[in-house]
Amino acid sequence: DAKTTQPNSMESNEEEPVHLPCNHSTISGTDYIHWYRQLPSQGPEYVIHGLTSNVNNRMASLAIAEDRKSSTLILHRATLRDAAVYYCILRDRNYGGSQGNLIFGKGTKLSVKP
Amino acid sequence: EAQVTQNPRYLITVTGKKLTVTCSQNMNHEYMSWYRQDPGLGLRQIYYSMNVEVTDKGDVPEGYKVSRKEKRNFPLILESPSPNQTSLYFCASSSVGHNEKLFFGSGTQLSVL
Repeated sequence: DAKTTQPNSMESNEEEPVHLPCNHSTISGTDYIHWYRQLPSQGPEYVIHGLTSNVNNRMASLAIAEDRKSSTLILHRATLRDAAVYYCILRDRNYGGSQGNLIFGKGTKLSVKP
Repeated sequence: EAQVTQNPRYLITVTGKKLTVTCSQNMNHEYMSWYRQDPGLGLRQIYYSMNVEVTDKGDVPEGYKVSRKEKRNFPLILESPSPNQTSLYFCASSSVGHNEKLFFGSGTQLSVL
Protein backbone atom coordinates (compact mmCIF):
# COMPACT_ATOMS: atom_id res chain seq x y z
CA ASP A 1 0.00 0.00 0.00
CA ALA A 2 1.19 3.48 -0.83
CA LYS A 3 2.47 5.34 2.20
CA THR A 4 3.15 8.93 3.08
CA THR A 5 6.03 10.62 4.90
CA GLN A 6 5.55 13.68 7.08
CA PRO A 7 7.78 15.59 9.50
CA ASN A 8 7.15 14.64 13.11
CA SER A 9 6.58 18.20 14.26
CA MET A 10 6.41 21.81 13.14
CA GLU A 11 6.04 25.14 14.85
CA SER A 12 4.27 28.26 13.73
CA ASN A 13 3.45 31.70 15.03
CA GLU A 14 -0.13 32.76 15.39
CA GLU A 15 -1.60 34.56 12.36
CA GLU A 16 1.25 33.44 10.10
CA PRO A 17 0.86 30.98 7.23
CA VAL A 18 1.82 27.35 7.77
CA HIS A 19 2.95 24.93 5.11
CA LEU A 20 2.72 21.27 6.11
CA PRO A 21 4.53 18.96 3.68
CA CYS A 22 3.77 15.37 2.76
CA ASN A 23 5.75 13.04 0.52
CA HIS A 24 4.03 10.20 -1.31
CA SER A 25 6.52 9.03 -3.88
CA THR A 26 4.70 5.73 -4.59
CA ILE A 27 1.32 7.32 -5.25
CA SER A 28 -0.73 5.65 -7.94
CA GLY A 29 -2.76 7.39 -10.61
CA THR A 30 -6.04 6.63 -8.85
CA ASP A 31 -5.02 7.79 -5.36
CA TYR A 32 -6.63 10.85 -3.88
CA ILE A 33 -4.61 12.83 -1.33
CA HIS A 34 -6.57 13.40 1.87
CA TRP A 35 -5.68 15.48 4.90
CA TYR A 36 -7.11 15.05 8.37
CA ARG A 37 -6.33 16.71 11.65
CA GLN A 38 -6.73 15.58 15.23
CA LEU A 39 -7.29 18.18 17.89
CA PRO A 40 -6.31 17.26 21.45
CA SER A 41 -8.65 14.69 23.02
CA GLN A 42 -10.73 14.32 19.85
CA GLY A 43 -11.06 11.98 16.92
CA PRO A 44 -9.52 12.98 13.59
CA GLU A 45 -11.56 15.25 11.34
CA TYR A 46 -11.47 15.79 7.60
CA VAL A 47 -9.66 18.87 6.31
CA ILE A 48 -9.33 18.69 2.54
CA HIS A 49 -8.59 16.35 -0.35
CA GLY A 50 -7.55 16.49 -3.99
CA LEU A 51 -6.37 14.47 -6.97
CA THR A 52 -4.26 16.66 -9.26
CA SER A 53 -5.27 20.28 -9.06
CA ASN A 54 -4.80 22.57 -6.11
CA VAL A 55 -7.84 22.78 -3.88
CA ASN A 56 -9.21 25.40 -1.51
CA ASN A 57 -11.88 25.27 1.15
CA ARG A 58 -12.79 27.30 4.19
CA MET A 59 -10.28 25.44 6.37
CA ALA A 60 -7.18 25.24 4.20
CA SER A 61 -5.59 24.94 0.78
CA LEU A 62 -3.96 21.91 -0.74
CA ALA A 63 -1.10 22.32 -3.17
CA ILE A 64 -0.23 19.20 -5.17
CA ALA A 65 3.07 18.86 -7.01
CA GLU A 66 2.89 18.37 -10.74
CA ASP A 67 4.27 14.80 -10.48
CA ARG A 68 1.92 14.18 -7.51
CA LYS A 69 4.76 12.77 -5.42
CA SER A 70 4.31 15.42 -2.78
CA SER A 71 1.70 17.81 -1.49
CA THR A 72 1.45 20.69 0.95
CA LEU A 73 -1.37 21.63 3.26
CA ILE A 74 -1.52 25.37 3.68
CA LEU A 75 -3.13 27.09 6.63
CA HIS A 76 -3.26 30.73 5.57
CA ARG A 77 -3.35 32.25 9.04
CA ALA A 78 -2.63 29.87 11.88
CA THR A 79 -4.64 30.27 15.05
CA LEU A 80 -4.15 28.64 18.44
CA ARG A 81 -7.09 26.37 17.57
CA ASP A 82 -5.10 24.95 14.66
CA ALA A 83 -2.67 23.26 17.04
CA ALA A 84 -3.21 19.60 16.22
CA VAL A 85 -1.73 16.52 14.61
CA TYR A 86 -2.14 16.64 10.83
CA TYR A 87 -2.30 13.45 8.81
CA CYS A 88 -1.79 13.03 5.10
CA ILE A 89 -3.21 9.79 3.64
CA LEU A 90 -3.81 8.31 0.23
CA ARG A 91 -7.18 6.96 -0.74
CA ASP A 92 -7.82 5.04 -3.94
CA ARG A 93 -10.86 6.34 -5.78
CA ASN A 94 -11.60 2.81 -6.98
CA TYR A 95 -13.60 1.41 -4.11
CA GLY A 96 -13.09 -2.19 -3.15
CA GLY A 97 -10.69 -4.77 -1.75
CA SER A 98 -7.48 -3.53 -0.17
CA GLN A 99 -8.42 0.07 -0.90
CA GLY A 100 -9.92 -0.03 2.57
CA ASN A 101 -6.49 -0.35 4.15
CA LEU A 102 -5.93 3.33 4.94
CA ILE A 103 -2.58 4.15 6.52
CA PHE A 104 -2.48 7.23 8.74
CA GLY A 105 0.94 6.92 10.36
CA LYS A 106 2.14 9.40 12.97
CA GLY A 107 1.31 12.66 11.23
CA THR A 108 2.82 16.09 11.94
CA LYS A 109 2.24 17.69 15.30
CA LEU A 110 1.72 21.40 14.72
CA SER A 111 2.37 23.80 17.58
CA VAL A 112 1.16 27.39 17.30
CA LYS A 113 2.80 30.07 19.41
CA PRO A 114 0.89 33.21 20.41
CA GLU B 1 -26.95 14.99 13.18
CA ALA B 2 -24.52 12.84 11.18
CA GLN B 3 -22.24 11.02 13.55
CA VAL B 4 -20.22 7.99 14.48
CA THR B 5 -21.01 6.84 18.01
CA GLN B 6 -18.66 4.72 20.05
CA ASN B 7 -19.40 3.16 23.41
CA PRO B 8 -18.14 3.12 26.01
CA ARG B 9 -16.01 6.26 26.18
CA TYR B 10 -13.82 4.78 28.88
CA LEU B 11 -13.35 1.16 29.89
CA ILE B 12 -11.18 -0.48 32.51
CA THR B 13 -11.06 -4.27 32.50
CA VAL B 14 -8.87 -7.16 33.53
CA THR B 15 -6.79 -9.54 31.48
CA GLY B 16 -8.82 -12.27 29.81
CA LYS B 17 -12.29 -10.83 30.31
CA LYS B 18 -14.04 -10.62 26.96
CA LEU B 19 -15.27 -7.20 25.95
CA THR B 20 -16.96 -5.46 23.03
CA VAL B 21 -16.61 -1.87 21.96
CA THR B 22 -19.56 -0.77 19.88
CA CYS B 23 -19.53 1.55 16.89
CA SER B 24 -22.60 2.84 15.11
CA GLN B 25 -23.04 5.34 12.28
CA ASN B 26 -26.23 7.01 11.05
CA MET B 27 -25.02 8.06 7.59
CA ASN B 28 -25.69 4.81 5.69
CA HIS B 29 -21.97 4.43 5.05
CA GLU B 30 -20.65 1.30 3.38
CA TYR B 31 -17.12 1.58 4.75
CA MET B 32 -16.22 1.27 8.43
CA SER B 33 -12.90 0.84 10.16
CA TRP B 34 -11.23 0.52 13.55
CA TYR B 35 -7.96 2.19 14.59
CA ARG B 36 -5.88 2.16 17.70
CA GLN B 37 -3.72 5.06 18.77
CA ASP B 38 -0.68 4.69 20.99
CA PRO B 39 1.90 7.31 22.00
CA GLY B 40 4.65 7.53 19.42
CA LEU B 41 2.97 5.05 17.06
CA GLY B 42 0.26 7.16 15.51
CA LEU B 43 -3.01 5.73 14.22
CA ARG B 44 -2.85 2.09 13.21
CA GLN B 45 -5.66 0.28 11.45
CA ILE B 46 -6.98 -2.89 13.09
CA TYR B 47 -9.80 -4.04 10.80
CA TYR B 48 -12.00 -2.55 8.15
CA SER B 49 -15.23 -3.44 6.41
CA MET B 50 -16.14 -2.50 2.86
CA ASN B 51 -19.80 -3.48 3.33
CA VAL B 52 -22.12 -5.80 5.24
CA GLU B 53 -20.53 -9.23 5.81
CA VAL B 54 -17.26 -8.03 4.21
CA THR B 55 -14.36 -7.50 6.63
CA ASP B 56 -10.60 -7.52 6.25
CA LYS B 57 -7.50 -7.18 8.37
CA GLY B 58 -5.67 -3.92 8.74
CA ASP B 59 -2.10 -3.56 9.96
CA VAL B 60 -2.53 -4.74 13.56
CA PRO B 61 -5.42 -7.27 13.69
CA GLU B 62 -3.93 -9.75 16.20
CA GLY B 63 -6.08 -10.19 19.29
CA TYR B 64 -9.17 -8.54 17.78
CA LYS B 65 -12.32 -9.65 16.03
CA VAL B 66 -14.99 -7.70 14.21
CA SER B 67 -18.34 -8.38 12.65
CA ARG B 68 -20.54 -6.49 10.19
CA LYS B 69 -24.01 -7.96 10.31
CA GLU B 70 -25.74 -4.64 9.74
CA LYS B 71 -24.65 -1.64 7.78
CA ARG B 72 -24.75 0.78 10.68
CA ASN B 73 -22.85 -1.28 13.28
CA PHE B 74 -19.26 -2.45 13.41
CA PRO B 75 -18.35 -3.80 16.86
CA LEU B 76 -14.78 -4.49 17.93
CA ILE B 77 -14.41 -7.63 20.02
CA LEU B 78 -11.51 -8.49 22.30
CA GLU B 79 -11.99 -12.16 23.21
CA SER B 80 -9.16 -12.27 25.74
CA PRO B 81 -7.78 -8.79 26.34
CA SER B 82 -4.16 -8.36 27.36
CA PRO B 83 -2.35 -5.32 28.80
CA ASN B 84 -0.73 -4.56 25.43
CA GLN B 85 -4.20 -3.79 24.10
CA THR B 86 -4.44 -0.82 26.44
CA SER B 87 -4.94 1.96 23.95
CA LEU B 88 -7.21 4.67 22.55
CA TYR B 89 -9.53 3.23 19.92
CA PHE B 90 -11.29 5.07 17.12
CA CYS B 91 -14.02 3.93 14.79
CA ALA B 92 -14.45 5.59 11.39
CA SER B 93 -16.89 5.39 8.51
CA SER B 94 -17.33 6.79 5.03
CA SER B 95 -19.44 6.46 1.95
CA VAL B 96 -18.33 5.25 -1.47
CA GLY B 97 -17.27 7.63 -4.20
CA HIS B 98 -14.75 10.28 -5.07
CA ASN B 99 -15.52 12.45 -2.03
CA GLU B 100 -15.19 9.76 0.61
CA LYS B 101 -14.57 11.79 3.74
CA LEU B 102 -13.92 9.69 6.79
CA PHE B 103 -15.97 10.46 9.87
CA PHE B 104 -14.48 9.44 13.21
CA GLY B 105 -16.02 8.66 16.54
CA SER B 106 -14.90 10.35 19.76
CA GLY B 107 -12.76 7.41 20.83
CA THR B 108 -12.74 4.72 23.51
CA GLN B 109 -9.95 4.72 26.06
CA LEU B 110 -9.36 1.12 27.08
CA SER B 111 -7.20 0.03 29.99
CA VAL B 112 -6.47 -3.67 30.49
CA LEU B 113 -5.03 -4.46 33.91
